[in-house]
Amino acid sequence: QKEVEQNSGPLSVPEGAIASLNCTYSDRGSQSFFWYRQYSGKSPELIMFIYSNGDKEDGRFTAQLNKASQYVSLLIRDSQPSDSATYLCALHTGGFKTIFGAGTRLFVKA
Amino acid sequence: DAMVIQNPRYQVTQFGKPVTLSCSQTLNHNVMYWYQQKSSQAPKLLFHYYDKDFNNEADTPDNFQSRRPNTSFCFLDIRSPGLGDAAMYLCATSGGTTRGNQPQHFGDGTRLSIL
Repeated sequence: QKEVEQNSGPLSVPEGAIASLNCTYSDRGSQSFFWYRQYSGKSPELIMFIYSNGDKEDGRFTAQLNKASQYVSLLIRDSQPSDSATYLCALHTGGFKTIFGAGTRLFVKA
Repeated sequence: DAMVIQNPRYQVTQFGKPVTLSCSQTLNHNVMYWYQQKSSQAPKLLFHYYDKDFNNEADTPDNFQSRRPNTSFCFLDIRSPGLGDAAMYLCATSGGTTRGNQPQHFGDGTRLSIL
């Protein structure tokens, strides 16, 4: 079983809609969770991090964490074409190790 | 602006010819990481430094080495690149707690091609 699982997509949403990206993980000891955005050919850029169960909002982005069910999600409200990218879920597994998922490709149609 | 800078952005080398990739940071972070990322795959951690303490991932090939001469600079040396080493190499930094759970800040990456 992969440590971090994401649907590879592509997830296609119309402009202005809510994009919902999901991630499940296997390590119950994980305490810190991150969402990175990666444009094609570019490096990952931090979007959100969340440490506690529940929701965390930052502008158009909301991260949701449910440790009991071992999933973390990212909602993007009012999606824009510029949000089209690959979104990587990552989690801290202990020490200085962060495990990344392979990402979900999001395509926002104008 | 504080940042992570990788040089060069693109590197072409010949099969078996040693190559060095560099990373510098102005964030004054004490942790620096090197990742390898192949197309449509997750970044794979090769190693990291916590200050001068070097930590190698168990599955990192011996062909890959790293040096960190000071806080600001870190180098990735590939001693004898093979065709399978063609990838994007990402340098990242994070700030310093011993728990290591801080977000990472990435450089723009170096895309390595092997002829």
